Order: sequence, then C-alpha cells, then structure tokens
Amino acid sequence: DADVTQTPRNRITKTGKRIMLECSQTKGHDRMYWYRQDPGLGLRLIYYSFDVKDINKGEISDGYSVSRQAQAKFSLSLESAIPNQTALYFCATSDPLAGDPNEQFFGPGTRLTVL
Amino acid sequence: AQSVTQLGSHVSVSEGALVLLRCNYSSSVPPYLFWYVQYPNQGLQLLLKYTSAATLVKGINGFEAEFKKSETSFHLTKPSAHMSDAAEYFCAVSLGYSSASKIIFGSGTRLSIRP
Repeated sequence: DADVTQTPRNRITKTGKRIMLECSQTKGHDRMYWYRQDPGLGLRLIYYSFDVKDINKGEISDGYSVSRQAQAKFSLSLESAIPNQTALYFCATSDPLAGDPNEQFFGPGTRLTVL
Repeated sequence: AQSVTQLGSHVSVSEGALVLLRCNYSSSVPPYLFWYVQYPNQGLQLLLKYTSAATLVKGINGFEAEFKKSETSFHLTKPSAHMSDAAEYFCAVSLGYSSASKIIFGSGTRLSIRP
C-alpha cells in the first residue's frame, strides 16, 4: 500500500463550488505539505503543518484553506473554486526526527479541473 | 532567499547518449539540494540528495549529480540514456529542518528519449 494517498485522483468541478482534497499518510510523519503544480512553474507551496495545532501559509495560500484532522490526515479546501485553480495538487510529508536534509515524500497527486 | 533555476524546459537525447540536466541554485547559506523525478501520471520520487557529505552524489537508476559551490550548480547526469528515463525532472533546494523543511522547486525539465 502507498505511504501517502490522495483522494480523489481526478476531479472536475464548476466555478464557485466548494471542494475538498484529502491526504492520508501511514508514514507516521509529523510534517505535511500541500503543493500545486502548473506547467512551467514547478511545484509551489500552498500550506504546511507541523502538527495538528500548527498550520502555516505557504507562498500561494490565497483562495485555499486547510485542516489537519489528525497526524495522518491533512485536507485542502477550495472555498469557491475558480478556473485558475485548475492544476495538479500534491500532498507531501517529512519526518523532523530523520534529521537534515529532511526530504519530503509525495503522494500520487490530484488533478483538479475547474470549469 | 533560496531559488533554483533549471536551464532548458525540454531536453531530448538519443537512447544510449549522455543525459545532462542543468540546475543552478541561489542560497545565502549552504543548502541541501535534491533531484526529484516525476513519471507520467505519478507523484514525485527522490532521485538523489546532496547533504555536504560528498560533492558527487549517486542516485537511483544510474543517475548522479555533482555539487559545485564555485559554480552554484548541481547538474544531473547519466552516462547512457534509457527509454524508461523519459520523465520530468525537478531540481530543488532546502535549508532543512531549521527552515520548516520547506523545499523550493525549479520549474522542471522534461526529458525525452529518442529511439
């Protein structure tokens, strides 16, 4: 079984709709991250969390919110989706106890299309 | 602030030829550097990482990268390309645990292999 899973894998929605992307991990890592990937732009950080009580904005958090329901679960919400949020979204985890360079482990991604 | 520049959004080589993917970084302090690979419809997978233990880093699938501080470069190479190497490759930089393990990604290089 995959260590980092994302649901759904693909989603098509309409402008103005609320949508939630979910991430679960079995790696036991405290740190979790949400990124979006756009062609030619690489991956950009949306939000990250050190634990269930510690949520931090990344470089492109506007229009997004997150919830860390448990150590293993980190959800990304689009309150009112807009077409320029069409992208590939990745969840990642890292283990602060593993020491530097503290690499991240990625889920398979969710392809979101906003019409 | 850290940043990463990948030269060439698309590289095409013949099967059996040398693969060279270029990456230059900018960091005010010694960074940790990564190369990740993304196969079609998959998440990111770590190829290799530089941790200051050795300037020549060997990764999976025959790839290696050399850290050159004087040139602020971390280019990825493979002596002989295989069809299965076709993927998108991301160079990334991090300051490690002290910076929340945040990783800054380059814009990616798509590698195509000609038969």
